[in-house]
Formats: sequence, C-alpha cells, structure tokens
Amino acid sequence: GAVVSQHPSWVICKSGTSVKIECRSLDFQATTMFWYRQFPKQSLMLMATSNEGSKATYEQGVEKDKFLINHASLTLSTLTVTSAHPEDSSFYICSALGTVKNQPQHFGDGTRLSIL
Amino acid sequence: GEDVEQSLFLSVREGDSSVINCTYTDSSSTYLYWYKQEPGAGLQLLTYIFSNMDMKQDQRLTVLLNKKDKHLSLRIADTQTGDSAIYFCAEKPGSARQLTFGSGTQLTVLP
Repeated sequence: GAVVSQHPSWVICKSGTSVKIECRSLDFQATTMFWYRQFPKQSLMLMATSNEGSKATYEQGVEKDKFLINHASLTLSTLTVTSAHPEDSSFYICSALGTVKNQPQHFGDGTRLSIL
Repeated sequence: GEDVEQSLFLSVREGDSSVINCTYTDSSSTYLYWYKQEPGAGLQLLTYIFSNMDMKQDQRLTVLLNKKDKHLSLRIADTQTGDSAIYFCAEKPGSARQLTFGSGTQLTVLP
C-alpha cells in the first residue's frame, strides 16, 4: 500500500531554533500534501495544503512566515518551524495525496516537536 | 458549514463487538473514511466507503452508511486489546481534496 515517511519522529530543541520536518511519499507521486497540527487529546487541525511546484495554501490563523512549506518535488514536502518557541510544541502530521482520482490520503507517522 | 461529530469514548470487553458512530452535515460528501491512531503515531487508514454504498465489509471491520441521516458507523468484530486506539471519522466534501475530521473516539478494550 501507499507509504508516507515523516522525519524526524521526535525533536527536542531550544527556543529560537528553526526546525525542518520532512514528508516523503515512498511509492507514489504526491501532487498534494497536507500539514496538520494535533494537540493532546484533540483532532487534527489542518495548517496548510501544499501543491507541488506552487505556493502552499494556509488555513486561517496559521502564520505563513512562521510555518514555511516547500513542496519542490512530487515526493517531498518540508515544513520548517522558524524561530520556534514553547507554544509551537505539538505533534505535526503530514499526509499525501497522489494523482489517482479519489485515492485516499495516506499519513506519515507524525513528528513530536518539543521546544524548551 | 462542514461538521463531523463523534462520541469521545467507548469501552468494550475483549471479544465483544465495538460500534463507533459518526454523524456529518455535508450532503455533498463523496467519500467517508475511518482512520486509526495509536499513541504517538500518525493516522492509519482502516477503510473508506463511497457515498453511493450502504455497507462495506473488510475482515473484522464493517462500515455502515445511512446517507439520508448522514450517519456512518464502524463495527469491529471480536475486538482485541490491540484495537485500543483513537478512531477518526473523516469526510471528503464534494470536489475538495482536504478532509474534515471528527474529534476522534477513544476505544478502550478491557480484558
């Protein structure tokens, strides 16, 4: 089945550091990737939609300068949390959608980000 | 607007059947999904159903869709301790590519 790899799985870093999270589709081409944020005991909150070769579309309330998204190839999208602060600590999950019509989204295993 | 609702908790005894319910509001939904999330992990696609279907069965999983009432359910037969997780219902409205998720149902399987 379709596999999405997300890396790293866990990051702990100091306040002010920028952190890059990678999302790769391993066995299919992902024209669209989604980035979600999940708080403890809550559902997924869509942050942005990333289309290959174009600018990401951010959801209302998500700072595009804070959460930089790059989708330079059909198999890789990156989310960079710039100058991270403790309030950015969260679980970030990506998902990927291929070119086949009505194909379901497949999710990565998530990245636990802890900012000290 | 779009809204997907689920009950937050469900506890069952090992070996019993679990039924997780979901209601949605968008009548243009084309596909409805069930995802499973184990602690500290991403979402695993369990099954999905097209909106013109009433039922789909896949091994221990049975999905029932009542489109008139906008009600979706997931039945897990012979529930095992490994089934303990959070189960998310999600809909794909119309031509949209993104999903709308429910709040998730925490399933606890008791020995």
